[in-house]
Formats: sequence, C-alpha cells, structure tokens
Amino acid sequence: AQKITQTQPGMFVQEKEAVTLDCTYDTSDPSYGLFWYKQPSSGEMIFLIYQGSYDQQNATEGRYSLNFQKARKSANLVISASQLGDSAMYFCAMRVEGGKLIFGQGTELSVKP
Amino acid sequence: DVKVTQSSRYLVKRTGEKVFLECVQDMDHENMFWYRQDPGLGLRLIYFSYDVKMKEKGDIPEGYSVSREKKERFSLILESASTNQTSMYLCASSSFEGINEQYFGPGTRLTVT
Repeated sequence: AQKITQTQPGMFVQEKEAVTLDCTYDTSDPSYGLFWYKQPSSGEMIFLIYQGSYDQQNATEGRYSLNFQKARKSANLVISASQLGDSAMYFCAMRVEGGKLIFGQGTELSVKP
Repeated sequence: DVKVTQSSRYLVKRTGEKVFLECVQDMDHENMFWYRQDPGLGLRLIYFSYDVKMKEKGDIPEGYSVSREKKERFSLILESASTNQTSMYLCASSSFEGINEQYFGPGTRLTVT
C-alpha cells in the first residue's frame, strides 16, 4: 500500500538553529515524487521543495533541503537557520499515479525566539 | 501569479442542508482536486478530475459529489450536510506537465451544526 508517515506531531526549535522534519514513505512504484508543503496558521498550503525518485542529488531551495535516502524510503526536510516565520504545519506528500498526492499527518513546528 | 480561489473562507450550515463549495483556478490546469483536512489525519482526497465533465472518487467520497462543467471550475457538493463533515476543505489544481505540483486555494472552514 502507498503511504506517507510523519511521526513527529510537534517539534520545537530555537531561532537560528537547524531542524529536521521526518518523513518516510512506502510505495512499490519505481517512479514517484516527494513534496513538502508548509501551512501557516492562515491556512494556505505553500509548496517548498520537490524530489523525484530518479533524482541523483538531494533537492535544495534556499534554506530548505531534502535529505533523500531512497533505500530507507525516507525524505526528511531540513530547515537551516530557523526563523520565527517558519512556525507552521509541515506536510510531506508523495505523488502517485495520475498525479494524485498522498499526504502525511503533518508536523507542527514551533520556532522559539 | 498562479491562483486558486475558493468561494468562502468560513461557512456555517445546518444538518441536512445542501452545501456547495466552489473552486476556480486561472492557470488552465487540467487536474483539480478536493481534500478535507482534519487534525492528526493530514489531507485526504475526496474527489478529483482530469478534465471537464470527468470525475474520479478519491479515498473518502462518501457523502460528497462533484461537478466540473468548465475547465477552470470544480465544485464540491454535500448533498445533505452532517456534523461529521465539519472540517477544512482545500481545493487544488495541477498540470500534467512537469512535476505535477499542486497549487492550493486558501481553504474553506465548514461547520455543520
């Protein structure tokens, strides 16, 4: 069965420190994509970063990087130099056939000043 | 700038009422999706559509129907609202091209009393 698991319901990080949000996935398809979205308290879903299953290098977008370990089926999000504005819900998602997304349960990140 | 809009941010309806949630995208995307978001469960797919007048059931279609008469508009219908349909509803769209990134609307928080 295709599944995304985020095991951290909530996380705290000190401002300016790095934080890793965990995501594991399960699929038997050789071709898939992994996304991370941010959802602030306002509710909109903001796309952060994408990793394709055939990509050789880990994806990076500014302060966001994706630690992709294919053999372990993990796709952890690393946020460097956390800012107060990073406080939000973060969702990991996997693209399956037909362009559908399967989402994890989400991790609520709180950045402390 | 890409845009997905939803007809209401907040909606309060009574049990048994017929409820329409409207979603419009201006990106000429082929694919449109309806999700509901509940705490601890992430986003779950209700229905999706790959083309006008086409619809497919997602993971939790019971109690819902959809309509896509025009490419840019995808409507979610609750035929007879029930209290267990109180939730946040998110609409998204994507293209068949590229990584199939989904663009989300701001969400509608529906309360059924």
